[in-house]
Amino acid sequence: DAKTTQPTSMDCAEGRAANLPCNHSTISGNEYVYWYRQIHSQGPQYIIHGLKNNETNEMASLIITEDRKSSTLILPHATLRDTAVYYCIVRVRGGSNYKLTFGKGTLLTVNP
Amino acid sequence: DAGVIQSPRHEVTEMGQEVTLRCKPISGHDYLFWYRQTMMRGLELLIYFNNNVPIDDSGMPEDRFSAKMPNASFSTLKIQPSEPRDSAVYFCASSLGGGGRSETQYFGPGTRLLVL
Repeated sequence: DAKTTQPTSMDCAEGRAANLPCNHSTISGNEYVYWYRQIHSQGPQYIIHGLKNNETNEMASLIITEDRKSSTLILPHATLRDTAVYYCIVRVRGGSNYKLTFGKGTLLTVNP
Repeated sequence: DAGVIQSPRHEVTEMGQEVTLRCKPISGHDYLFWYRQTMMRGLELLIYFNNNVPIDDSGMPEDRFSAKMPNASFSTLKIQPSEPRDSAVYFCASSLGGGGRSETQYFGPGTRLLVL
């Protein structure tokens, strides 16, 4: 699986959009971008995933650049409960490999 | 659905003792994963099962660790003998598998293990 690079930490004001970047310059054509988050003392939680088109669900939006070498997770109206470590993971979907390889992630702190 | 259930939530034991962690996956999920999280190493996959069969145990640290899945609704991770360096949070996760959104892994609340 391709390696990802994320900032160690970010701050965001409550009610504002939180934009979390992820660099995956070595991503291959059949690898998807996944985002999970981990709120303190809880297990990781799936947020969203995508291949090359932008994706949106009830939690967030995922913007993937045209060359697919980077992406941005957007939380449109961050709340205090969004304070968590956010993990960007690149992996092949399907096949026989169901592993998730977690890096260090980005600690997002939403401030009141 | 109750989600992935893990027990115990907290475990304190002494070095050399046997520790057994338990997991009940979400009903109908074919895949079960065991992860370990420490400050030093982050979140790492230990082993995963498909239809109760171990598929990849390359992350299991050493022979002191063993995992079983006797049926579709129960799995155990056993450490014998336990050592202080085994202190960590152990997560169990499950997924449907098979591609698409069904590959989403759902994590349990974790077991916090402290080995003295």
